[in-house]
Formats: sequence, C-alpha cells, structure tokens
Amino acid sequence: AQSVTQLDSQVPVFEEAPVELRCNYSSSVSVYLFWYVQYPNQGLQLLLKYLSGSTLVKGINGFEAEFNKSQTSFHLRKPSVHISDTAEYFCAVRGMDSSYKLIFGSGTRLLVRP
Amino acid sequence: EAEVAQSPRYKITEKSQAVAFWCDPISGHATLYWYRQILGQGPELLVQFQDESVVDDSQLPKDRFSAERLKGVDSTLKIQPAELGDSAMYLCASSPLTGGDLHEQYFGPGTRLTVT
Repeated sequence: AQSVTQLDSQVPVFEEAPVELRCNYSSSVSVYLFWYVQYPNQGLQLLLKYLSGSTLVKGINGFEAEFNKSQTSFHLRKPSVHISDTAEYFCAVRGMDSSYKLIFGSGTRLLVRP
Repeated sequence: EAEVAQSPRYKITEKSQAVAFWCDPISGHATLYWYRQILGQGPELLVQFQDESVVDDSQLPKDRFSAERLKGVDSTLKIQPAELGDSAMYLCASSPLTGGDLHEQYFGPGTRLTVT
C-alpha cells in the first residue's frame, strides 16, 4: 500500500518569489509520482509526472519537481510565482503494480500575495 | 481538446433523497474512475471501471452508493439515501489502457453535492 504526506496545508508567498511545496510518500514497491493543481470548484489538472529516467521533471506553467528515492520525496518548485498560481496542489502516488489506483495527499493551498 | 464531461455541476438535495451523477469519459478511454473529495482533503477513489467491469470498489459504501457503466462508455454514480456526510465534490476521471499517457488520469470538472 502507498501513502502520501503533504505537511504544509497552506503556503503563503509574495508574487515573483520562489516556492517549494513538499511531498513525501511511503510505499513497499516502486512508484510513479504526480502533481496535480485544482482551481476553485474545478477538477484536477496534471502539472507533471515522474515515471522513470531523469529525477528532475519539468511540467506546465513553469513548475518542476525532483524525485529523491532515498528521501522518498517529490517536492514541487517554481522559481517565480504569479497571482494566477493561487490554487490547491495535490501530490499523488501510484504503485508499479497492475492497479491504476492513485493515492492523493491532503493538498497544499498556495496563496500568492501581490 | 477532448475532455471528461460531468453533470450536474452543482446539486443540492435533502437527506434521505436519492441523487445521481453522470460522467462521460474521453472517447476511447477504457478506464473510468469515480472519486469523492471532502472539503480540505485529497480525492479518494470510490470505484474504478475497466470497460463495463468493476476493477476496484473497495471504498464504495455499498449500502447506499451504486455505480454502473453498462456499455463501457458513460457512467452513473447514485446515492440513495443521501446523508449529510455525503456532502463533497464528486470527481470523474478517465485514462487509456495504452499509449504515452496511459499513466495519466484526466479529470472532469466535478459535481459539488450539498446535502441539507
């Protein structure tokens, strides 16, 4: 079984500042990792995913994440945020087995202030 | 660009009433998922279909919830009777079985249910 921990429920940051949203996971098998963004009253949109290969993954809207197997982490970063980045961000994990079940963290609300 | 469609977007119902949600996945996607997202939490899988067959419904409260995907295309999730604790966002997602994006789930806009 897998689990995901997003320790920060809310991260306030000023516009144009860098940001890091933390994600740690646990699993008894190898995993695929994902970050999704959710705007108010909308569904989830995939930001980026790690399947294999390079541990630094680049996604949409200038976001990137780094897979660290030894620390079982997949932190999301952006060097300069915009007001429009204000949203809820979810980290998710899926085990490399036959199931396609995604396990989500509890989410981190990114609040970008002018 | 193809999208997952859901309706209604918002639903208010009284407790003990029946309610149903509809989802139309991206054309050609064999796998369909229903998630429940309680306010302030991440989505939790309720049921997963591959074509018309249920793959995983271990978290579906079967005494009141039911889901079907009769022809392996669109799907309906029903709650009867609704309880106050069912107030949540219900999300539908789909994914293909093959191709470069087979590990990706595409989400619909969701149905916001309020039970009064």
